[in-house]
Amino acid sequence: DTGVSQDPRHKITKRGQNVTFRCDPISEHNRLYWYRQTLGQGPEFLTYFQNEAQLEKSRLLSDRFSAERPKGSFSTLEIQRTEQGDSAMYLCASQTGLVGETQYFGPGTRLLVL
Amino acid sequence: AQSVTQLDSQVPVFEEAPVELRCNYSSSVSVYLFWYVQYPNQGLQLLLKYLSGSTLVKGINGFEAEFNKSQTSFHLRKPSVHISDTAEYFCAVSEWGGGSYIPTFGRGTSLIVHP
Repeated sequence: DTGVSQDPRHKITKRGQNVTFRCDPISEHNRLYWYRQTLGQGPEFLTYFQNEAQLEKSRLLSDRFSAERPKGSFSTLEIQRTEQGDSAMYLCASQTGLVGETQYFGPGTRLLVL
Repeated sequence: AQSVTQLDSQVPVFEEAPVELRCNYSSSVSVYLFWYVQYPNQGLQLLLKYLSGSTLVKGINGFEAEFNKSQTSFHLRKPSVHISDTAEYFCAVSEWGGGSYIPTFGRGTSLIVHP
């Protein structure tokens, strides 16, 4: 257990529905990252936050994806109008603000879109 | 733009044998390099990282990696593997972007240790 938690661990939804995932980072970590991991691939960077500021979001997969970190603590990733291609593991990681510091990953949320 | 190539998708090896998992990267700027391990049904865990300094980096569980700038490689090695090393191993490179180092991961190498 790295101290990063994600909820839910599993989510099954029907195509067209909206889903929201939550990530709780290690409390003293001010950077938070979201990744997507599909079968047989490594994690793919989506976006990240420094405290409550979203500093990089150009790699979010489409405008159906959005993320927030309103108070600089937990974060949510929302996917609107889900598609079958969104089925994947969604990972969250946190780290301190120091360059090169270790990222600590959560267990992930596995999404299945039917 | 940075990219990471893990040359082997699967590496089978017998217990107590040595192993090398290969990783090559491409980047136009200075980078940080990482190896992560993912055990079945668990999150990614950092094995080791290269930021600067000595090119030979030692990590947890007896793993080490060597940064070779001229060959743009960061291969992971262990002199004697154990059954419990069976897992997925990911090489990652971080390049500066958006005020932070944005990581790019390789596709992963599945290490399968046989008794």
